[in-house]
Amino acid sequence: SQQGEEDPQALSIQEGENATMNCSYKTSINNLQWYRQNSGRGLVHLILIRSNEREKHSGRLRVTLDTSKKSSSLLITASRAADTASYFCASGSGSRLTFGEGTQLTVNP
Amino acid sequence: NAGVTQTPKFQVLKTGQSMTLQCAQDMNHEYMSWYRQDPGMGLRLIHYSVGAGITDQGEVPNGYNVSRSTTEDFPLRLLSAAPSQTSVYFCASAQGATEAFFGQGTRLTVV
Repeated sequence: SQQGEEDPQALSIQEGENATMNCSYKTSINNLQWYRQNSGRGLVHLILIRSNEREKHSGRLRVTLDTSKKSSSLLITASRAADTASYFCASGSGSRLTFGEGTQLTVNP
Repeated sequence: NAGVTQTPKFQVLKTGQSMTLQCAQDMNHEYMSWYRQDPGMGLRLIHYSVGAGITDQGEVPNGYNVSRSTTEDFPLRLLSAAPSQTSVYFCASAQGATEAFFGQGTRLTVV
């Protein structure tokens, strides 16, 4: 079964707006990762946040983690049309990742 | 730097046929994994390996076999293809408890 749920399942915004995606997970974690998948392509790693971290930044990405609520959020600021993709959270590490069902983000030019 | 290479990219099989999906990585990673992705869903773990000669089952292993004779290669074998195995298959590698690197996927259709 999937580790958790992501919401929204789909998000459509205008270029320049911010996009926020949420992820909930079920079991204890050591870290949480976010991946991006362009249509028909493989997944690309975006950012990893460890269980003892509350927030992490990478360029236009900001990830938060609340282990008490078993939830994480990914914020993409100043979105671009090229950010259109599916975004997945994943718990575990190395060879054993458990993925959420993903959020399909569409950024309209 | 090739990263993770999967072949073939597309495959159509008849029910009952067998085949092997190839995966190779050139990053000397210890860990390799196979996932399947069904429409509108995230990835589910089929089998994984933590080193040459060591493999284990993931969440959905039935109907699939793997072996890891070298660090570089991690083939996935479908023993007797069924329509329920129609999916997109991704191979990934990682070094320790860090980010995973994914191949471009194999789109498999079983008719």
